[in-house]
Amino acid sequence: SQKIEQNSEALNIQEGKTATLTCNYTNYSPAYLQWYRQDPGRGPVFLLLIRENEKEKRKERLKVTFDTTLKQSLFHITASQPADSATYLCALGAGGGNKLTFGTGTQLKVEL
Amino acid sequence: DVKVTQSSRYLVKRTGEKVFLECVQDMDHENMFWYRQDPGLGLRLIYFSYDVKMKEKGDIPEGYSVSREKKERFSLILESASTNQTSMYLCASSSPPKLTDTQYFGPGTRLTVL
Repeated sequence: SQKIEQNSEALNIQEGKTATLTCNYTNYSPAYLQWYRQDPGRGPVFLLLIRENEKEKRKERLKVTFDTTLKQSLFHITASQPADSATYLCALGAGGGNKLTFGTGTQLKVEL
Repeated sequence: DVKVTQSSRYLVKRTGEKVFLECVQDMDHENMFWYRQDPGLGLRLIYFSYDVKMKEKGDIPEGYSVSREKKERFSLILESASTNQTSMYLCASSSPPKLTDTQYFGPGTRLTVL
């Protein structure tokens, strides 16, 4: 069955460092992959999308990579700030069907 | 900006009650979704709709039904609430024909069934 894995343990890093979150998947051939941010008690908010034929995508301090051979996406936040503390969800889409399958998310804590 | 609103942020109901969760979006999106989110299980799709009066089962439809009488409104119905339906319920919308399928979420309704 399709499976998306994100590290369930919280990631604690120091302010100014680069945070790297991982999303692995099995039994899935996604056309694209998305990353969302979710703050406590709120709905997820879209951050970035990367397609299967793209290796890397950047937006300000965010960078996403997508390796369809390894079946993995890495999400990087450079120069991290305490305001980046949140749970980050990856979601895979097959394209055309409008259905996304979400991972369980990884909680990031950026400490001063 | 897309705005998705949900009728309640917090709701407490008793076992056996009929529960209505309402979701409204203001961007004329065709697609609407209902998820529930539980610790360790992530977001799970309950039902979705591509158009008015159209609905499709998601991954966990049992115990739920939906209604989409108007394009902007998508309702989730718990016919007879049970304690295992205590959860955070999230509504989302998106718009084809883009293949991006980016979803815009509401703030969520935290439902407690006693």
